[in-house]
Amino acid sequence: LAKTTQPISMDSYEGQEVNITCSHNNIATNDYITWYQQFPSQGPRFIIQGYKTKVTNEVASLFIPADRKSSTLSLPRVSLSDTAVYYCLAQSGNTPLVFGKGTRLSVIA
Amino acid sequence: EAQVTQNPRYLITVTGKKLTVTCSQNMNHEYMSWYRQDPGLGLRQIYYSMNVEVTDKGDVPEGYKVSRKEKRNFPLILESPSPNQTSLYFCASSLAARGPNTEAFFGQGTRLTVV
Repeated sequence: LAKTTQPISMDSYEGQEVNITCSHNNIATNDYITWYQQFPSQGPRFIIQGYKTKVTNEVASLFIPADRKSSTLSLPRVSLSDTAVYYCLAQSGNTPLVFGKGTRLSVIA
Repeated sequence: EAQVTQNPRYLITVTGKKLTVTCSQNMNHEYMSWYRQDPGLGLRQIYYSMNVEVTDKGDVPEGYKVSRKEKRNFPLILESPSPNQTSLYFCASSLAARGPNTEAFFGQGTRLTVV
């Protein structure tokens, strides 16, 4: 089972770009990297998914290097409403959609 | 509207009284799963189902049962609830469990208290 490692917490000021890096050394060839956002007492919400290189949507960008052993979620110009827990998933093995403890992002005014 | 619906949203029960938390999705998803979330422990997977009549244990299955008799429903059953099962529970579904179609949709959550 692929293990993902993320920082436990991060702080940022409003308006800054935030980069959260996740390592997944044992990622399998067929696995995709997916990021979710969770607010307190709500279910996680899909943010972005990628396989390699760069993926961008209206919310975030995802950078994946050629070796795919890590990925970086980039949130441009964060606001207070981006304060949440962010989860990185990289599936490997037979147990799907396993969430770790995530990264708690606190955005400060 | 595409959604995952859990019921009830809140439940207070007593030790040993059997209960069922229902989960239903209207997206024709094959994959469904249950999680519990406790402070400091993140989301832990209880059971998952790859398709109808196919269920597997997640990381913390003890004290729980599930069934998948039809594609849209995946109920979580606590035969004899205990206080250590007090938690926030989430049901999720996705088109697939691996590959590019794994965007998971989550229910609103069920806050269970066992006294």
